[in-house]
Amino acid sequence: TQLLEQSPQFLSIQEGENLTVYCNSSSVFSSLQWYRQEPGEGPVLLVTVVTGGEVKKLKRLTFQFGDARKDSSLHITAAQPGDTGLYLCAGALPPGGTSYGKLTFGQGTILTVHP
Amino acid sequence: KAGVTQTPRYLIKTRGQQVTLSCSPISGHRSVSWYQQTPGQGLQFLFEYFSETQRNKGNFPGRFSGRQFSNSRSEMNVSTLELGDSALYLCASSLKPGLAGGPHNEQFFGPGTRLTVL
Repeated sequence: TQLLEQSPQFLSIQEGENLTVYCNSSSVFSSLQWYRQEPGEGPVLLVTVVTGGEVKKLKRLTFQFGDARKDSSLHITAAQPGDTGLYLCAGALPPGGTSYGKLTFGQGTILTVHP
Repeated sequence: KAGVTQTPRYLIKTRGQQVTLSCSPISGHRSVSWYQQTPGQGLQFLFEYFSETQRNKGNFPGRFSGRQFSNSRSEMNVSTLELGDSALYLCASSLKPGLAGGPHNEQFFGPGTRLTVL
């Protein structure tokens, strides 16, 4: 069982459409990060959210951290072919557990945007 | 400034062999973390080194080991390779040690080493 569940696993859309990727857990996280990974490369950090309810915008990408800090979403407006890639969420658990200090990743969402 | 480099980029080994992968962090970064990425399990944390000391370790068997040198370069070793060890091995560097450096202590990933075990 994954600590962080990402959905959907695959997303295939046309250019110009909007989409949302979800990252859910039953655990509370100190912070949550979103990465984008392209074939043949390592993940690249897009954003870090720390405060419950926090919303961050990066051009056409909007990231939200749930009020209870158990979930997050990534919304892309007017998707472009250049947005194609693997999107990963990663959470940092709070101090006190055996997993403290380690980033826990979701399974990822493979996004394909067709021209 | 140069990014994280990993060598080799591709590797093919047979079961039972051992392998050593290398990672050179961004200049000035003293923390190096290793991850295994597979289609089935996703990205999983292996271990983290800072100033030549292992600070954190994931849930992997003892066949997986690593070390860090005084110039912050790091190596990971996998002994007695199994078919299930086939994966993309990613290295990431940061200025401060992992999450202890705060949520904004950004990790920069290398392109990975693709290991295939036959």
